Amino acid sequence: ETGVTQSPTHLIKTRGQQVTLRCSSQSGHNTVSWYQQALGQGPQFIFQYYREEENGRGNFPPRFSGLQFPNYSSELNVNALELDDSALYLCASSSDSPNAQETQYFGPGTRLLVL
Amino acid sequence: KQEVTQIPAALSVPEGENLVLNCSFTDSAIYNLQWFRQDPGKGLTSLLLIQSSQREQTSGRLNASLDKSSGRSTLYIAASQPGDSATYLCAVKDSWGKLQFGAGTQVVVTP
Repeated sequence: ETGVTQSPTHLIKTRGQQVTLRCSSQSGHNTVSWYQQALGQGPQFIFQYYREEENGRGNFPPRFSGLQFPNYSSELNVNALELDDSALYLCASSSDSPNAQETQYFGPGTRLLVL
Repeated sequence: KQEVTQIPAALSVPEGENLVLNCSFTDSAIYNLQWFRQDPGKGLTSLLLIQSSQREQTSGRLNASLDKSSGRSTLYIAASQPGDSATYLCAVKDSWGKLQFGAGTQVVVTP
């Protein structure tokens, strides 16, 4: 059973650019959540996808968007990058419905630096 | 709005001492509470998950308690080792399946 994987591991962009981050869920998991973790802070919920539909969104602007594919892998897209978008982006997968009392398994994260 | 607080923000103890990490939350309507470990620049590793109906969970040297009515959880790590040095995060899960995290407690265990 493979764990949650994310790509790329590191990324450097400039203000105004667009970025796409990728996540492969753990085998058998149909729910993916994305989190943003600024330095020295706890992760902040961006949004969650369940069976290819967005199912909950945190306090992030529309320039943060996502997709979940039939194989349950996922993408996070961020348009018009700002300096404050520099952070570690984590995805987490879990099985069954989003409200099930299941452990979320996290990937290693993508470190994004916006210059 | 749910707020999760972890105290202390940082902790340094000599090897062999027991660790006590605290987590408090403002809204008791949670599905579960989870403790994670995070090494510098890395992702999160789940340590313990306590369902809302449970009072505690144990795994090896780790024990976590949950008191929903008072909005508190405590993670105990017995006989700490240098390898326990990391940041420990607690998170509560709401009805939407969203995890709300605290800012973490950074732990250093000195040999």
